[in-house]
Amino acid sequence: AQSVAQPEDQVNVAEGNPLTVKCTYSVSGNPYLFWYVQYPNRGLQFLLKYITGDNLVKGSYGFEAEFNKSQTSFHLKKPSALVSDSALYFCAVRLTGGSQGNLIFGKGTKLSVKP
Amino acid sequence: ETGVTQTPRHLVMGMTNKKSLKCEQHLGHNAMYWYKQSAKKPLELMFVYSLEERVENNSVPSRFSPECPNSSHLFLHLHTLQPEDSALYLCASSQDHYGDGGRGYEQYFGPGTRLTVT
Repeated sequence: AQSVAQPEDQVNVAEGNPLTVKCTYSVSGNPYLFWYVQYPNRGLQFLLKYITGDNLVKGSYGFEAEFNKSQTSFHLKKPSALVSDSALYFCAVRLTGGSQGNLIFGKGTKLSVKP
Repeated sequence: ETGVTQTPRHLVMGMTNKKSLKCEQHLGHNAMYWYKQSAKKPLELMFVYSLEERVENNSVPSRFSPECPNSSHLFLHLHTLQPEDSALYLCASSQDHYGDGGRGYEQYFGPGTRLTVT
């Protein structure tokens, strides 16, 4: 079955330190992968995507993600965390085959950045 | 979030009420979506409309009834809901649901309607 997993419910980081939010996926064929962020009482906001090409994808607010085909991972990274980065982060994969076009989302990882 | 708007932002309804959620996208997109977000559960896709045609009904109970009168508007009609239907209902849109030439179009979300069923 096609799926996406975020193994960490919460990630705690000190401001100024690098952060990583993990995501692994299982999908038939070439994966289309996405990261979204959700601030309290708001909808999901698109951060970045991997479709093809360079394995390192850069997105909004200084975030980047690295696609690793052999490890079926698409971890979100930022070199220096800000307190304002504290939010809920979702990884998503676009389905192929019969449900092509649908996105399935991971359960989300809460990022907490402390001053 | 101004690209996709949702009204109302908050709704409290009894189990016998009938209400509707409204979504409008100002992005010129061809596809629209309804999702349900409950605490402690992954985001659940409910319905997909592509070019105003429903292309996905993800085993959603009939007490939820979507309507897409044109490519910019999407409604979710609610009737005889249950308390477990209380959740954040998110609307989203994308340029093209199926993608074009391998481009995976991201979805843009509205702020959601917080629904409480009493």
